[in-house]
Amino acid sequence: NAGVTQTPKFQVLKTGQSMTLQCAQDMNHNSMYWYRQDPGMGLRLIYYSASEGTTDKGEVPNGYNVSRLNKREFSLRLESAAPSQTSVYFCASLSSFRPGNQPQHFGDGTRLSIL
Amino acid sequence: KQEVTQIPAALSVPEGENLVLNCSFTDSAIYNLQWFRQDPGKGLTSLLLIQSSQREQTSGRLNASLDKSSGRSTLYIAASQPGDSATYLCAEYGQNFVFGPGTRLSVLP
Repeated sequence: NAGVTQTPKFQVLKTGQSMTLQCAQDMNHNSMYWYRQDPGMGLRLIYYSASEGTTDKGEVPNGYNVSRLNKREFSLRLESAAPSQTSVYFCASLSSFRPGNQPQHFGDGTRLSIL
Repeated sequence: KQEVTQIPAALSVPEGENLVLNCSFTDSAIYNLQWFRQDPGKGLTSLLLIQSSQREQTSGRLNASLDKSSGRSTLYIAASQPGDSATYLCAEYGQNFVFGPGTRLSVLP
């Protein structure tokens, strides 16, 4: 019962390099999300996908792109990494809002450092 | 813009104490509010979710309340244990989740 799986767990990049963060969920959830978490701040939404085939910008989308490859997978791409994108990135998926359920399931995060 | 704040930012208590963590939000049209726990280097684990039509939810030693009119939620932890040490985040859901910065809790043996 894997839940939400993120790869890689750690990554160091040089300024200007590109990379893709991968996320997959096995719970048949419709909605998926990418967040970043910086020290002293809550999670901030980068992009989300309400359903397969749709993506929308969140609070901090600049410098990122996303792809909802299928219902299971939602990837986040940094085209030209900048030091300001050093952060911990979390992927999450959403089930339903019935009381007692756990609507958002999170991966363990990708720790990204950009030099 | 929706905002969520949490007070205090950090809290240290001796084992066995009852404690309250506070969460304030500005969105009066929230759909629900959720409390999470985050251990160092880990992702978020959902603790409790309160629908906008509810006033509180309980799970074991945890009780969360919601007052939409005042824009506040509290997480009550009874008989705290060292294993409760973690960062606790609240998040309100309107169109999407908006997270608070968290309260870092240390329970001392």
